[in-house]
Amino acid sequence: QVQLLESGPGLVKPSQTLSLTCSVSGGSVSSGGYYWSWIRQHPGKGLECIGYVYFTGTTYYNPSLTSRLSISLDTSMNQFSLRLSSVTAADTAVYFCARGRGYSGYDDLDSWGQGTLVSV
Amino acid sequence: SSELTQDPAVSVALGQTVRITCQGDSLRSFYASWYQQKPGQAPVLVMSGKDKRPSGIPDRFSGSSPGNTASLTITGAQAEDEGDYYCYSRDSSGDHVVFGGGTKLTVL
Repeated sequence: QVQLLESGPGLVKPSQTLSLTCSVSGGSVSSGGYYWSWIRQHPGKGLECIGYVYFTGTTYYNPSLTSRLSISLDTSMNQFSLRLSSVTAADTAVYFCARGRGYSGYDDLDSWGQGTLVSV
Repeated sequence: SSELTQDPAVSVALGQTVRITCQGDSLRSFYASWYQQKPGQAPVLVMSGKDKRPSGIPDRFSGSSPGNTASLTITGAQAEDEGDYYCYSRDSSGDHVVFGGGTKLTVL
């Protein structure tokens, strides 16, 4: 059973860079067929896809965040990371990491971290 | 705004059947997956693809996907099924993944 755990500062100042890491256990970020996602949830709101990185290192970013966003994979540490620059109060949210699976015709997110609140 | 549209809230009497829907043009090409989220917790996958229940999800949960609408049906809703439900799929281009806006389910 794969487990994911987010870590990083809970408070970031405006204009600075938000950095989070998701540590993966019980599975490898290098495993074929998976992608490693970041999702956020603003207070009292729904889920928003931030982006993801495939096991190959290929990334996908939400078009609304592309200019500020970087997601990377660290296979040696079995983890993946999120960096979001120039943050504002609008980036205050609970940030989740999750493992994604892409199939022919559908995707799912089968394992999630517990989430971490980041306040700006 | 999301390309996947969900009703904001739905209620069901205890033991009755409820259907939660997700509409979007992309659903003619892609299936949705469904997530249950309870307050203060991470979402949990409850349905994947056309009708695949992950291990541990009760068989009262089922899925269907006719046309541009994906549905999650709970047959015999229980109190513990209360929570927010989100659909997740690709957008019309197939390049982007999106969540629906979520449906708050209340079991009366």
